[in-house]
Amino acid sequence: GAVVSQHPSRVICKSGTSVKIECRSLDFQATTMFWYRQFPKKSLMLMATSNEGSKATYEQGVEKDKFLINHASLTLSTLTVTSAHPEDSSFYICSARGAGGVKYEQFFGPGTRLTVL
Amino acid sequence: AQSVTQLDSQVPVFEEAPVELRCNYSSSVSVYLFWYVQYPNQGLQLLLKYLSGSTLVKGINGFEAEFNKSQTSFHLRKPSVHISDTAEYFCAVTLYSSASKIIFGSGTRLSIRP
Repeated sequence: GAVVSQHPSRVICKSGTSVKIECRSLDFQATTMFWYRQFPKKSLMLMATSNEGSKATYEQGVEKDKFLINHASLTLSTLTVTSAHPEDSSFYICSARGAGGVKYEQFFGPGTRLTVL
Repeated sequence: AQSVTQLDSQVPVFEEAPVELRCNYSSSVSVYLFWYVQYPNQGLQLLLKYLSGSTLVKGINGFEAEFNKSQTSFHLRKPSVHISDTAEYFCAVTLYSSASKIIFGSGTRLSIRP
């Protein structure tokens, strides 16, 4: 149980285009989803927290107009990197937390490698 | 505010040797503690967690960790490592609050030599 998937696993795009990354909780309802960014050989940096049906809460320094987050259902959240540039190249990881007893625990997706040329 | 410190960025050990990955945290309130493992180009997998009760926590893949409140530590140990344990290990904390974020340490790269 508690499986989180991400799609795509890897994407290469040209500078200036937008890229959408999907995060799905496959066997539970995720009331809260988190989006992280990980630079090479670095730890995870929380970008934003999204609750189903409401606007995402962004961490300080993260541009909300650059990284659009939508959490339209209890099983799906999307991160759209708008007008991507090479500096946006990174490993993006989502996690999900359910409404049930284990409220403290997050389940992580496998990550999406974004390369912007 | 909470913080997590992993003092060792890299730990090289020989196969079948014991290993300890150190983690210290700082918090003025009670926290939950976690260790995650990340294999190359993959997401995070939970190794073990401390919520309450026994301070010695056993996890998957033969790992265990001990919560030491007086030293604010949560070191990860394994008595005998395998090549397959080569990965990045992250210590993390979160508050009891259901709305709390997970705070990650900077990670420790465990490399196993044959």
